[in-house]
Amino acid sequence: GNSVTQMEGPVTLSEEAFLTINCTYTATGYPSLFWYVQYPGEGLQLLLKATKADDKGSNKGFEATYRKETTSFHLEKGSVQVSDSAVYFCALIPYNNNDMRFGAGTRLTVKP
Amino acid sequence: DTAVSQTPKYLVTQMGNDKSIKCEQNLGHDTMYWYKQDSKKFLKIMFSYNNKELIINETVPNRFSPKSPDKAHLNLHINSLELGDSAVYFCASSQGRQFSYEQYFGPGTRLTVT
Repeated sequence: GNSVTQMEGPVTLSEEAFLTINCTYTATGYPSLFWYVQYPGEGLQLLLKATKADDKGSNKGFEATYRKETTSFHLEKGSVQVSDSAVYFCALIPYNNNDMRFGAGTRLTVKP
Repeated sequence: DTAVSQTPKYLVTQMGNDKSIKCEQNLGHDTMYWYKQDSKKFLKIMFSYNNKELIINETVPNRFSPKSPDKAHLNLHINSLELGDSAVYFCASSQGRQFSYEQYFGPGTRLTVT
């Protein structure tokens, strides 16, 4: 079936450190891939997305590239800020339906 | 303007009660969803509803029933609440049952069953 696997957290970084959160997926065909962010006490917000192989999604300094050969969509940011502290979810929508599947979420804490 | 809104934001109730959570979207979307987020932050789809077509996740107990008076609203009714129903429930919507359309989430309703 369709599924998403994220690196387990929590992840704690110092401000201005480099961030990578790994995400791999299992799906038939070419799913669309997403990163959502959930700030404390809030709902999920779309951070970025990519809909086909080799697409790069980017927003707010975050980037992720759709890698079909490794079935991955790793999230990266060159220099994190305290305000980036949140839970990050990788997700996919299969090519043939609208059934979004989420990873387990990775909690990021950035310390000053 | 709030895109996807839910009420109430917090709901504390006793076991055995029946409660409803309301969801409204003003995005003109065709499809709406309910998700349950457990204490470990794991998100699980419960229902999706598009144009009177309801798709139910088979693991959802039949005590949970979605009700859609129109395409802008999808309410969640829960009968005979149990302790294990305590979670955060998120409503979401998307443009349609088309591929690649992202989902827009409401702020969540934290349900606590005592």
